[in-house]
Amino acid sequence: DGGITQSPKYLFRKEGQNVTLSCEQNLNHDAMYWYRQDPGQGLRLIYYSQIVNDFQKGDIAEGYSVSREKKESFPLTVTSAQKNPTAFYLCASSKQGQGAGYGYTFGSGTRLTVV
Amino acid sequence: GENVEQHPSTLSVQEGDSAVIKCTYSDSASNYFPWYKQELGKGPQLIIDIRSNVGEKKDQRIAVTLNKTAKHFSLHITETQPEDSAVYFCAEYSGAGSYQLTFGKGTKLSVIP
Repeated sequence: DGGITQSPKYLFRKEGQNVTLSCEQNLNHDAMYWYRQDPGQGLRLIYYSQIVNDFQKGDIAEGYSVSREKKESFPLTVTSAQKNPTAFYLCASSKQGQGAGYGYTFGSGTRLTVV
Repeated sequence: GENVEQHPSTLSVQEGDSAVIKCTYSDSASNYFPWYKQELGKGPQLIIDIRSNVGEKKDQRIAVTLNKTAKHFSLHITETQPEDSAVYFCAEYSGAGSYQLTFGKGTKLSVIP
């Protein structure tokens, strides 16, 4: 079955440490997205990529970095520059319509906690 | 830019009653409107969607209606059950914008047994 997989489910980060969250999809989707969700809050876009080797900043990109070397993979690195990284991180993918919208398929999320 | 307002932010209903969540948008070029359900600790799941050439779509106990003139769309859940308790997000897509979904801030629905 096709789907989108995020790992790990739980992640703990020490102060000053970089951590990388994995996101893999086998849906043959062109576009991939990273969102941050704080308790009781909505979805805030961190980065998105509409094609391999290209990505754009979302609304809250500071302190985060991404790469898109393969169509299937869109890892997110939370750097030490992100001062308040504790949150629930969601990866999503979609077909790329550019005129016709398509729904996103979301992963099951990674809960990151600073210790 | 695109903007989606979602109301109410919280909603409590008795089991068996109906629930309605409404979203308004500003971009007249918006042409796709999905709804997502997010259970606690999980990722959002697409539950129903509608395109701008359709006024209503139903899937068992859930339905979505679209009023293009007034620029609003609504999620209707009938005969609510405790397992309907979740956070619901609306979204809209503008073919003339950034080619992304813009999400509402979510509605926490509680179904009281």
